Amino acid sequence: RKEVEQDPGPFNVPEGATVAFNCTYSNSASQSFFWYRQDCRKEPKLLMSVYSSGNEDGRFTAQLNRASQYISLLIRDSKLSDSATYLCVVTLLSGGSYIPTFGRGTSLIVHP
Amino acid sequence: DGGITQSPKYLFRKEGQNVTLSCEQNLNHDAMYWYRQDPGQGLRLIYYSQIVNDFQKGDIAEGYSVSREKKESFPLTVTSAQKNPTAFYLCASSIKRGGTSYEQYFGPGTRLTVT
Repeated sequence: RKEVEQDPGPFNVPEGATVAFNCTYSNSASQSFFWYRQDCRKEPKLLMSVYSSGNEDGRFTAQLNRASQYISLLIRDSKLSDSATYLCVVTLLSGGSYIPTFGRGTSLIVHP
Repeated sequence: DGGITQSPKYLFRKEGQNVTLSCEQNLNHDAMYWYRQDPGQGLRLIYYSQIVNDFQKGDIAEGYSVSREKKESFPLTVTSAQKNPTAFYLCASSIKRGGTSYEQYFGPGTRLTVT
C-alpha cells in the first residue's frame, strides 16, 4: 500500500466551480501535512499547511481527519489560474527523522 | 533575496559520465533534500540531510551521492551507475525544530538529459 495516495484526476471543471481533492495516508504516526501546487515543468510551491482544526486561506480550505487518515483541499470559485497539479505531502517518521512523503498529485484543469 | 538556487537549469551529458548538480540556500535552513521527478510521476526522495556533515539515503539513493560540508550547500552527483538518470531534479530545504521538519521550499530544479 502506498504511503500517500491521491486521485490523479484530471479534474476538469468550469470557472466558478467548487472542487475538492482528498489524500489518504497509511501511517497513523504522521505529524505534519501540507498541500503544494506544481505548475507544468516548475517546482512545487507551498499552498498551505493543514492543521487539525482545519484552516482557510481565501478560496482554499484544508481539512485533516486523523481518525480516517486523510486530508482534503477545497477550492471555491475556481479560476483559470488554479489549473495545476496539487500535491499532498505527509511527514512520516523514518529512521528517527521526520521525512516528507509526496503523493503523486491531482491534476486540475479549469476551463472557461 | 532569500531562496534556493539550483544550477544549471538544463544539463546534457553523455552516458557514462558523472555529473554534479548544485543546490545552494541562504534561508539558514537546517534540512536539505534531493528529489527526482519523472514525467507524470510524483517526487521521489534521493537523499536528505538534517545537519551539516550528515546525510541519509532516501528511497532511490542507488547511483547517486551527496555531500553536506556547509549548511548552505547540498550538491548531488549523478554517477554512471544510475541506470535511468534523465529526469527533473529538485532540491528543497526546511527548518528542523524539535525533530519535526516543517514545510519545504524548493529550488527551480535542474532538467538532466543523458544520451
